[in-house]
Amino acid sequence: QKEVEQNSGPLSVPEGAIASLNCTYSDRGSQSFFWYRQYSGKSPELIMSIYSNGDKEDGRFTAQLNKASQYVSLLIRDSQPSDSATYLCAVGGNNDMRFGAGTRLTVKP
Amino acid sequence: DTEVTQTPKHLVMGMTNKKSLKCEQHMGHRAMYWYKQKAKKPPELMFVYSYEKLSINESVPSRFSPECPNSSLLNLHLHALQPEDSALYLCASRTGTSEYNEQFFGPGTRLTVL
Repeated sequence: QKEVEQNSGPLSVPEGAIASLNCTYSDRGSQSFFWYRQYSGKSPELIMSIYSNGDKEDGRFTAQLNKASQYVSLLIRDSQPSDSATYLCAVGGNNDMRFGAGTRLTVKP
Repeated sequence: DTEVTQTPKHLVMGMTNKKSLKCEQHMGHRAMYWYKQKAKKPPELMFVYSYEKLSINESVPSRFSPECPNSSLLNLHLHALQPEDSALYLCASRTGTSEYNEQFFGPGTRLTVL
């Protein structure tokens, strides 16, 4: 069983819609979760970190965490073509960080 | 400032060459990482330096040799690489090694082995 699982996609949404990206993790003791955005040919860029159950909002991005269900998600409101990228979910560990395989998002004009 | 820099941006080398990748951060971060990323795959951890000491070596072949000369610098020495080693090599740093610490990536070095 993979430690961090994401639907590889591709996920396609129209411009202006809400994009919902999901991630599950296997280690029930995990406490820290991160979302990265990676444009094709570029390096991952940290978007959000979340440590507590519930929602955390930053501009058009909302991260949601449910530790009981071992589930973390990222919502992108008012999606723009510039949001088209691969989104990596990561779970923090001491000394390292475990990444999911990433979900490719395409926002169509 | 959350900048991690890497040089060179691109590198083409033959299988008999010796080259080095360089990574630098001036954020006072005490944990630094090397990752390898192949197309359409997540970053794959290679090495972790914590307080300038090698703390994790993910069974990486000896043709890759990391070095941490000081708290701001991280090198990856390459020797006798294979074509399958062609990938994007990413450096990253974190404030510390706690699971709560955020990690920031450099722009990467695109390596091609001929």
